Amino acid sequence: QQQVKQSPQSLIVQKGGISIINCAYENTAFDYFPWYQQFPGKGPALLIAIRPDVSEKKEGRFTISFNKSAKQFSLHIMDSQPGDSATYFCAASMTGKLIFGQGTTLQVKP
Amino acid sequence: DAGITQSPRYKITETGRQVTLMCHQTWSHSYMFWYRQDLGHGLRLIYYSAAADITDKGEVPDGYVVSRSKTENFPLTLESATRSQTSVYFCASSVRNQPQHFGDGTRLSIL
Repeated sequence: QQQVKQSPQSLIVQKGGISIINCAYENTAFDYFPWYQQFPGKGPALLIAIRPDVSEKKEGRFTISFNKSAKQFSLHIMDSQPGDSATYFCAASMTGKLIFGQGTTLQVKP
Repeated sequence: DAGITQSPRYKITETGRQVTLMCHQTWSHSYMFWYRQDLGHGLRLIYYSAAADITDKGEVPDGYVVSRSKTENFPLTLESATRSQTSVYFCASSVRNQPQHFGDGTRLSIL
């Protein structure tokens, strides 16, 4: 019940395309859903986050879509750029502790 | 610069040895966390601390010990290192109910 499942494991997108990463969770007690971006040799950095009372949140080219009934949420990166090439982690939080998905390695080709 | 720093960045040791990974933050955040990152598993919580002298187990605590005598420091000790503990270790800190901020990690290899 504590798992967060993330897909795909890797993703290749052309510059200007849309990148979509999906996550699913089981525990309905989770109350905070962040996405982290990680570059090689660096720690994860918060990208965007959402709470379950909202179905969508947009920040620049990054959008989280949240489906509470399906217990799924996804990250959409519009107009993907080579600089977006990184590993992305979804996570779910309850009482401040994060449960991470397995990660998605995104490569944006010029 | 203020922030969260981990040391060492790289460490090679042998099985059975004790090794301590250091984490220091300058934000005075009350919460601190230790994670390990392994391919296919994402990041898994080892231990966390809500305040000085308060620590609790996470998802994968076996083989690890933590302490928090000062708010700014949260060392992680492997008392008798095993090969399965070869990993990249990340420390994070936060204020209650706010996003966690991560350090740049310690890459630990156990031979």
